Amino acid sequence: DVKVTQSSRYLVKRTGEKVFLECVQDMDHENMFWYRQDPGLGLRLIYFSYDVKMKEKGDIPEGYSVSREKKERFSLILESASTNQTSMYLCASSTTSGSAYNEQFFGPGTRLTVL
Amino acid sequence: EDQVTQSPEALRLQEGESSSLNCSYTVSGLRGLFWYRQDPGKGPEFLFTLYSAGEEKEKERLKATLTKKESFLHITAPKPEDSATYLCAGQGGSEKLVFGKGTKLTVNP
Repeated sequence: DVKVTQSSRYLVKRTGEKVFLECVQDMDHENMFWYRQDPGLGLRLIYFSYDVKMKEKGDIPEGYSVSREKKERFSLILESASTNQTSMYLCASSTTSGSAYNEQFFGPGTRLTVL
Repeated sequence: EDQVTQSPEALRLQEGESSSLNCSYTVSGLRGLFWYRQDPGKGPEFLFTLYSAGEEKEKERLKATLTKKESFLHITAPKPEDSATYLCAGQGGSEKLVFGKGTKLTVNP
């Protein structure tokens, strides 16, 4: 059974703190993604990675950075958390589009609150 | 710019009352159209991938269809446990998916 796990289900941080969200997949997928989901705005892509140490900006990268040192692990970093980064954060992974099956599999999400 | 639009935003059905959710897309060079189900507070769960116009896929009470401009998720004789938000996404020329904002389905007993 495919599995994407995220380090925390709920997280509360203070404004200005550095925040790390971690995601691990066990499917040997090349691609990994970080989204945030807000009511009325849907899923928005923050960053994605198509290989180890490779990354590409999504639609809303400002205020975020990422790290992918190992194939199975993709970290999202909030350098200095702000209240407008309070959101549900979702990690996903997929194989490359050269494969017959290219769907993204999602983790359970991390509900981050920045006070 | 690639775009996916879902309608309606919300749909209330009585148990057993069949209906359809719509997903209109303008995705250049569509390589796949994906449907997901999302329960409150959880990550989206993959349902179907459709690759070409005319394709259909079924799973229990759900059937997804695809034309050159839109996809439908047909729900036959729904049950309360089918209540969820259903997301549609298109993949064009990259690894990224373009998501719609979802349809929130409520099935009353």
